[in-house]
Amino acid sequence: GAVVSQHPSWVICKSGTSVKIECRSLDFQATTMFWYRQFPKQSLMLMATSNEGSKATYEQGVEKDKFLINHASLTLSTLTVTSAHPEDSSFYICSAEPIAGGRREQYFGPGTRLTVT
Amino acid sequence: EDKVVQSPLSLVVHEGDTVTLNCSYEVTNFRSLLWYKQEKKAPTFLFMLTSSGIEKKSGRLSSILDKKELFSILNITATQTGDSAVYLCAVEAGGVSSGTYKYIFGTGTRLKVLA
Repeated sequence: GAVVSQHPSWVICKSGTSVKIECRSLDFQATTMFWYRQFPKQSLMLMATSNEGSKATYEQGVEKDKFLINHASLTLSTLTVTSAHPEDSSFYICSAEPIAGGRREQYFGPGTRLTVT
Repeated sequence: EDKVVQSPLSLVVHEGDTVTLNCSYEVTNFRSLLWYKQEKKAPTFLFMLTSSGIEKKSGRLSSILDKKELFSILNITATQTGDSAVYLCAVEAGGVSSGTYKYIFGTGTRLKVLA
C-alpha cells in the first residue's frame, strides 16, 4: 500500500515551453502533498506544500508564478513549470501524506527528471 | 532559519564494518525526525523518531534521538554492499498556531560499502 506515482518519469522540453508534472496517490487519499527539487548529488529542497482545495504554500525563493501548483483532488497534485529555462533542469519529487492513520508519514513518488534544452 | 546538517557528507567502508551517521538540527517547533534511504530515485522510509532516548531498530539499522542536544544518529551494523546509498535525515517542523508544517531535509550522507 501507500504508492505514489509521478508522470512523466522524464521529460525533455525546449526553453520557453511549459511542462506539467502529475503526482498521484494511488491507494490512499492525501490532504497534503509536497513538491521537492533535487540537484545532482544534493539533498531534497522543499519547493512548496500543496493542500487540497487551497493555495499552495511556497518556500522562500521559489517563484509561485513560475512553479504553478494545483491540488484539485485528494489524490492528485500537479506542478507546472512555466516558461522553462535550462536552469530549471532538475529532478522533481513529490510526496504525499495519507489522511488516515495516527502516524504521519510521507510517501515519495519516483520523481520526474526534467531537462530543458 | 531552520536547518538540518548531516555528517559525514560521504563515507566509504568495507563490508562488515559498523557505521554511524549523524544528524543535527535547529528548527522552530520540532515535531519529528525521520531517516530515509535514497538509492536511485525516491527516498524510502527508515525511521520516525519523536521521543528522546528511545532506540528504534530494524534489522541491522537502529536510530536514536536526543532532543536536548538536538541530534540523531543512525547506526548500521555489519554493513553490506546493498547498504550503499544516500541516507537522508529530515525534520518535521511546524507552526503550532497555524497548523501548517513542513519537512526540512539535511545534506545527506553518501555511504559506499565495498565488498
